[in-house]
Amino acid sequence: GNSVTQMEGPVTLSEEAFLTINCTYTATGYPSLFWYVQYPGEGLQLLLKATKADDKGSNKGFEATYRKETTSFHLEKGSVQVSDSAVYFCALITGNQFYFGTGTSLTVIP
Amino acid sequence: DVKVTQSSRYLVKRTGEKVFLECVQDMDHENMFWYRQDPGLGLRLIYFSYDVKMKEKGDIPEGYSVSREKKERFSLILESASTNQTSMYLCASRRSLGGKNIQYFGAGTRLSVL
Repeated sequence: GNSVTQMEGPVTLSEEAFLTINCTYTATGYPSLFWYVQYPGEGLQLLLKATKADDKGSNKGFEATYRKETTSFHLEKGSVQVSDSAVYFCALITGNQFYFGTGTSLTVIP
Repeated sequence: DVKVTQSSRYLVKRTGEKVFLECVQDMDHENMFWYRQDPGLGLRLIYFSYDVKMKEKGDIPEGYSVSREKKERFSLILESASTNQTSMYLCASRRSLGGKNIQYFGAGTRLSVL
């Protein structure tokens, strides 16, 4: 079946630290991959996406590369800020159905 | 700008009440979705709709129903609310074709059933 597995949180980092949130997937066909972010009290917003193998999605200093050989789409940022504190969801779409990971909570402390 | 609007941010209801959660999108999207979000469980799909008057069960439809009388509006109905339906409810919409598969979300409705 189709599924997304992401690292469990919560993750707490100091400002300017390096961030990695791991995401692996299982899917039939050729999925597109996404990272969504949910800031406190809000809905989910698209952060970045990649539609095929070796594509790199990037936005707001965050990056993720679609790795078909390892079925992974890890989220990275070189220097996090307090304003990056949020819950991050990895997701894929295959067929016409979205599948979400359980979310990883990130807190960045000054 | 793309917009998915949920009518209430917070709701408090009593056990046994009938509850309506409303969602409106202004993007002329064919597909609309209702999820609930619970700690440790992520997003779980309740119901979705591919077009007006069409509905499909998601992963956890029990205790819920939906209505899609107009393309822009998708309502989630709790026929008789129970305490285990206390949750955050998220509405989303997506274009069927040519929309780059991006799903847009509303801000969520936090429902408490007492």
